[in-house]
Amino acid sequence: DAKTTQPPSMDCAEGRAANLPCNHSTISGNEYVYWYRQIHSQGPQYIIHGLKNNETNEMASLIITEDRKSSTLILPHATLRDTAVYYCISNNKFYFGSGTKLNVKP
Amino acid sequence: ETGVTQSPTHLIKTRGQQVTLRCSSQSGHNTVSWYQQALGQGPQFIFQYYREEENGRGNFPPRFSGLQFPNYSSELNVNALELDDSALYLCASSLSAGLGEQFFGPGTRLTVL
Repeated sequence: DAKTTQPPSMDCAEGRAANLPCNHSTISGNEYVYWYRQIHSQGPQYIIHGLKNNETNEMASLIITEDRKSSTLILPHATLRDTAVYYCISNNKFYFGSGTKLNVKP
Repeated sequence: ETGVTQSPTHLIKTRGQQVTLRCSSQSGHNTVSWYQQALGQGPQFIFQYYREEENGRGNFPPRFSGLQFPNYSSELNVNALELDDSALYLCASSLSAGLGEQFFGPGTRLTVL
């Protein structure tokens, strides 16, 4: 199973970059890595996805290692509104895990 | 363009009862997935419907069943409710089958007493 593992929580100072790691060492060659976040009491929100190359959009950047065994989601300038649980998942298995609780502090 | 909507927002049932939760997918989306999220946990995949057919199922018993209608809206039915069924039930729609980029609704909070 291409499950992912993430640290349970991380802290980040407001205005600094938040770097959220994800291990997906069993991912297969055609599986994309997707990132979602869930702000308290809301449905998850799509952030970004990638296969091999690094990706960037208006919300975040995604860095995928060359061996594709891990990736890092980067929020370049974290704000208090970015406090949420962040999930890293593969598109082959519908497994969200427990995610990383990011606490952005003033 | 309207987003994914779910009804009701909250529901209280007693053990042994049956419940139906509803989901309207985002305009243009033909795929709906349902998830159960217990307090403090990540969403757990229940099943997915693609063009009115079930297209994958998670580790949930048969008393969890679903339907997708020609307009791509969907229902989740749970029979013989148990206390452990208390959770937030999330519906997500997408443009095609598989996981992909999913758009989630706000969820239905089910409490089983």
